[in-house]
Amino acid sequence: AQSVAQPEDQVNVAEGNPLTVKCTYSVSGNPYLFWYVQYPNRGLQFLLKYITGDNLVKGSYGFEAEFNKSQTSFHLKKPSALVSDSALYFCAVRDPQGNNRLAFGKGNQVVVIP
Amino acid sequence: NAGVTQTPKFQVLKTGQSMTLQCAQDMNHNSMYWYRQDPGMGLRLIYYSASEGTTDKGEVPNGYNVSRLNKREFSLRLESAAPSQTSVYFCASSARTATDTQYFGPGTRLTVL
Repeated sequence: AQSVAQPEDQVNVAEGNPLTVKCTYSVSGNPYLFWYVQYPNRGLQFLLKYITGDNLVKGSYGFEAEFNKSQTSFHLKKPSALVSDSALYFCAVRDPQGNNRLAFGKGNQVVVIP
Repeated sequence: NAGVTQTPKFQVLKTGQSMTLQCAQDMNHNSMYWYRQDPGMGLRLIYYSASEGTTDKGEVPNGYNVSRLNKREFSLRLESAAPSQTSVYFCASSARTATDTQYFGPGTRLTVL
């Protein structure tokens, strides 16, 4: 079965500094990987996804993520964090070899300090 | 274009009561999903419907039932609510294939006393 690990519960970063949220995955075959963001009392919003092709994926709000097959990672990055980026971030994986269900990580709380 | 809508937004139940959570999407998506979100546990899939007329169990189906009423609507029913079902419930939909993005509703916050 597919699974996702987000090793850090909370990431603190100063406004203007680079932001990285880590994600590693386990799946048989080639994975389909997704990042979502959740603001307080809201549903999840799609940020970006990796299906195939270029390992660097660009998404909404200036976010990007790099797929690394050898390290089974899909870390989310933003060059310069904003206070408004403070939210809960979820990584998810879908196994194309098996069913089409998404497996989510536990989420990372990002706090951007002014 | 409202996307995915859910009703109600909030609900408080007593143990043993029943209720149905409603979900509708206007994106002509084939697949629909119900998740629950609990602190520190991420989102866990309860049930999903790959297409109209089909439903399948997810990771945590016990205590729940679903109905895919038509292509637009997918409801989740708690027949006899328990405090362990206190959670935030999200409905999502996607077009069809494994590469398609899932789009989420705003959630229903349920408390069972």
